[in-house]
Amino acid sequence: QVQLVQSGAEVKKPGSSVKVSCKVSGGAFNNYAISWVRQAPGQGPEWMGRIIPFVGIVDNAQKFQGRVTISADKSTSTVYMELSRMRSEDTAMYYCATSHYGYRSGDYYYYSMDVWGKGTTVIVSS
Amino acid sequence: EIVLTQSPGTLSLSPGERATLSCRASQSVSGNYLAWYQQTPGQAPRLLIYGASSRATGIPDRFSGSGSETDFTLAISRLEPEDFAVYYCHHYGSPSTFGQGTKVEVK
Repeated sequence: QVQLVQSGAEVKKPGSSVKVSCKVSGGAFNNYAISWVRQAPGQGPEWMGRIIPFVGIVDNAQKFQGRVTISADKSTSTVYMELSRMRSEDTAMYYCATSHYGYRSGDYYYYSMDVWGKGTTVIVSS
Repeated sequence: EIVLTQSPGTLSLSPGERATLSCRASQSVSGNYLAWYQQTPGQAPRLLIYGASSRATGIPDRFSGSGSETDFTLAISRLEPEDFAVYYCHHYGSPSTFGQGTKVEVK
């Protein structure tokens, strides 16, 4: 059974960057797309973007374009999410989640996110 | 992007009752790329339903999903104590979006 292990909690100053990791174990890393989803206190989930590590395809939400970098290290089965120019509104729980994917007619498509990490708390405070 | 609007915001029911949750999309969801998640305090979301109507592995059959195009429903036939939680619908196309959630609370 695939498991996702995320890095530990972070406290950051406004204007700085954070890099959160997500290590995939128990499954074939090449079979998955990995998404990043954040959830501010008392709010619903918000999708940030995803990566297909096997081909290096990244798909980011428009809201985070220019501020988020999603990358993968296939040698360690680890995916990273870096968020820059952070502000207090970025205080949230950050989750990674796996989904299967497919390829059809020149484009990738994705399945639902079925396995989630436990989350990484990121606090932005001066 | 597809905007998902869930209703009601809160549903107050007793154990054993039936719950019906709605998710309306701002445009047609192609391929029925619509999922439902359950979230309890301090936990990550848990996949219940994918493809609008298919139960995920290990999900009890009291949970059912239905709908197509812009209107989707999650039904819980008889509420168990562990079902009182927040439920989110999710479009997993590109870009991916979530609804704002429905809280099912004990009446």
